[in-house]
Amino acid sequence: EAGVAQSPRYKIIEKRQSVAFWCNPISGHATLYWYQQILGQGPKLLIQFQNNGVVDDSQLPKDRFSAERLKGVDSTLKIQPAKLEDSAVYLCASSLGPEGPLRYEQYFGPGTRLTVT
Amino acid sequence: DAKTTQPTSMDCAEGRAANLPCNHSTISGNEYVYWYRQIHSQGPQYIIHGLKNNETNEMASLIITEDRKSSTLILPHATLRDTAVYYCIVRAPGMTTDSWGKLQFGAGTQVVVTP
Repeated sequence: EAGVAQSPRYKIIEKRQSVAFWCNPISGHATLYWYQQILGQGPKLLIQFQNNGVVDDSQLPKDRFSAERLKGVDSTLKIQPAKLEDSAVYLCASSLGPEGPLRYEQYFGPGTRLTVT
Repeated sequence: DAKTTQPTSMDCAEGRAANLPCNHSTISGNEYVYWYRQIHSQGPQYIIHGLKNNETNEMASLIITEDRKSSTLILPHATLRDTAVYYCIVRAPGMTTDSWGKLQFGAGTQVVVTP
């Protein structure tokens, strides 16, 4: 079974530039999550999708971050404009959703390491 | 606010059992205990979860105290590949308007397995 795919793996940009990350969840997984992980800390949830609808974006800095999940499959996370403090690893995860037998287990991708200079 | 307390780091000798403690004194009756681990430069990986009974799978065992205020993750025979940050998380099951199944990670325990 293919895992969660993310691209790019690494990105370096200057502050005030824009950047986008892409995530392809495991086939059939209804729930998709984006996390931000700052060095030395645990991942922090930014946004959660159930199919193509947002169910939790309370921690997403909406003035600069946006995310979408068109057609309930792939998702993109965008930062515009980037700040120095956005330097972090951005992790995508997916899970079966409320109906699956392993609905509580989240599968994570390898992450995208963003450096803002 | 963090719902769990874990030691910052611990060492373990290869081949020995690693016992990772976690305190969750404010756990609610319907909250499960989850363990994930994160190997360097990888995303977190699910290990095990439980409600009140002890659980075992191919990766580890989870021992939850009778009052459910603490738990221990046991790696029975630690290998060098078990070096990782281990996260203990409490979470209500399923999707509710309060939780929507989200995981709240703390800083975790850095476990280093040495030869």
